[in-house]
This record gives sequence, structure tokens and C-alpha cells, in this order.
Amino acid sequence: DTEVTQTPKHLVMGMTNKKSLKCEQHMGHRAMYWYKQKAKKPPELMFVYSYEKLSINESVPSRFSPECPNSSLLNLHLHALQPEDSALYLCASSQLDRLPSYNEQFFGPGTRLTVL
Amino acid sequence: DAKTTQPPSMDCAEGRAANLPCNHSTISGNEYVYWYRQIHSQGPQYIIHGLKNNETNEMASLIITEDRKSSTLILPHATLRDTAVYYCIVRVATPNDMRFGAGTRLTVKP
Repeated sequence: DTEVTQTPKHLVMGMTNKKSLKCEQHMGHRAMYWYKQKAKKPPELMFVYSYEKLSINESVPSRFSPECPNSSLLNLHLHALQPEDSALYLCASSQLDRLPSYNEQFFGPGTRLTVL
Repeated sequence: DAKTTQPPSMDCAEGRAANLPCNHSTISGNEYVYWYRQIHSQGPQYIIHGLKNNETNEMASLIITEDRKSSTLILPHATLRDTAVYYCIVRVATPNDMRFGAGTRLTVKP
């Protein structure tokens, strides 16, 4: 299984709502990532988890709260978002223990988020 | 990570080779060149990577100049399905972060 799955595919939420995005992989990868992508822009790194611990936070506002409950699952909890947070949210995973020259990231299809 | 420069867009005729250039003049000795692509409405997909030698796999070839300041991704026989944004990324081999530049939008035309 070389797939990263993300749910939901689409999400519409109001600025006062609390919602969560979910990402799952069963490739035994020990690094997982969240990216944000606005229309016609490249993906921007948000968070990195290594061995289920947060290793990189790219100064993301606290209204985005990541969680890695186990090595296969990554969540992104959303609260009090703004309309400018509307974007495609991509999850990815990669090996951590292979040769350093080979750490291909596998991406999910993304969750398209609209904040009203 | 070193900065990369790519042309914003390119066209290629179906069946011909697509050659996508990338400049990375500030690359350091321990940085690799990675290529990913993103087909519309999908997540990015890994294509190939290299350090200093040319590399080939089932998807593409990567040619890195001897001084490592630039590289070219070659899709030998482009198809309409290769229409995508192609990202050249230069980074050290730590697995913990990867940052995308603007990329090249390749359009393969019939």
C-alpha cells in the first residue's frame, strides 16, 4: 500500500467552527507533513512530525493545531479560522530510516477547505 | 536550502522530449536536486533526484552539470498526461523538510 489518504476531500466551515482534517498512511513511514497550498501557488510547509513528535512548526498561527496520535495517523485541528485560510491542505509522509539520499515524500490528494 | 530558478511556463509537443531547466547556483556540496510534479488537483508526485551524477528512472532523466549549478529534467516522450507543474527542489538529505519554489508549468500539446 503506497497511498496516503486524506479525509474529508472537501470541507466548508464557518469562522466559529471547530473541525479536523485527517491523514493516514500504512507504509511504515515515521515522518509526516502538513502543507498548505493556495490557488496557483506552490505548497507551503506547515508542520513536520518525526517519530510522532513535532519537529518543525513553520510559525503557523495557533488556530491550526496538529496532532500525531500514532505513526500512521496525522490530524490537523482547525479553530476560529479566517477566510484567507481557505486553501488545499496536503498531507505527506516519508521514510526516516533509509539511506539519507532517498526520502521521497508521498502526498495525499488533499482536503480543499473553504472558510466562510 | 539553496534557492532554485525555473522558467514559469513551457510548452512541448506530444511525443517529443520535454527538457525542463533549473538553476541552483548556490547549491552546496551536500545538497541534492529533487524533482516533483503536481498534476492539476492532485498532490505532488516524486519524479527523480540526484547528487552529482546523471540519473534515469522509468519516468525521467536528470542531467546535472559538472559544477552542479544547474540541472535539466528530461521527459523523453511527453504525453498529454505529463501536463503539470514541475518543481525543482534543492535540499540537504535530512528528511524533515522540503520547500517548494514556484515551479514550471509544462503544457504538452497534441
